[in-house]
Amino acid sequence: QVQLVESGGGLVKPGGSLRLSCVASGFTFSHYYMTWIRQAPGKGLEWISYISSSGNNVYYADSVKGRFTISRDNAKNSLYLQVNSLRAEDTAIYYCARALMDVWGKGTTVTVS
Amino acid sequence: IQMTQSPSSLSASVGDTVTITCRASQDIRNDLNWYQQKPGKAPKRLVYAASSLQSGVPSRFSGSGSGTEFSLTISSLQPEDFATYYCLQHNSYPRFTFGPGTKVDIK
Repeated sequence: QVQLVESGGGLVKPGGSLRLSCVASGFTFSHYYMTWIRQAPGKGLEWISYISSSGNNVYYADSVKGRFTISRDNAKNSLYLQVNSLRAEDTAIYYCARALMDVWGKGTTVTVS
Repeated sequence: IQMTQSPSSLSASVGDTVTITCRASQDIRNDLNWYQQKPGKAPKRLVYAASSLQSGVPSRFSGSGSGTEFSLTISSLQPEDFATYYCLQHNSYPRFTFGPGTKVDIK
């Protein structure tokens, strides 16, 4: 079935880095653009990044621009988010989602402390 | 594009009909989705293109609106419907904006 599975979250100190991954299955990954969304504890949903199906076009929310980098490997059905210069306010569950967010992963938790 | 939702929370009983409103700061045509999120779970898309019901979603959910004002109506609220609901605009693709959410809990 159509599925997205995130990994790579964890506890990191301020200023640290992590690489989040999202593996897709059950659909032709290379045909879809992908997005990352995050949710801070007890807060709402925040779109943070977009990547086109080819990987040639990327966009970021102002809150993460210059610190986060989105990428993908269509041969591995994988989406990535490199998160650098982490701050306490980056603490959140990070979700990957397909295209117009019709399919979501279960999320991976990043804690900056 | 900024999105607002009202109310921010509401209390209702099983069997009630509830309506949640989402407003956009500018015309977004019908480029709006609705999501349901239960505690500890990922969001689930209920409605896309403002009024199209996602496959598998019960027909008691319905969406309407266009331009700047949209609504999600849940008819005959069921116990499993108590959750937080978010709207999402994608008119500014490839940038997206969620509404702040509406929590529906049991009266």
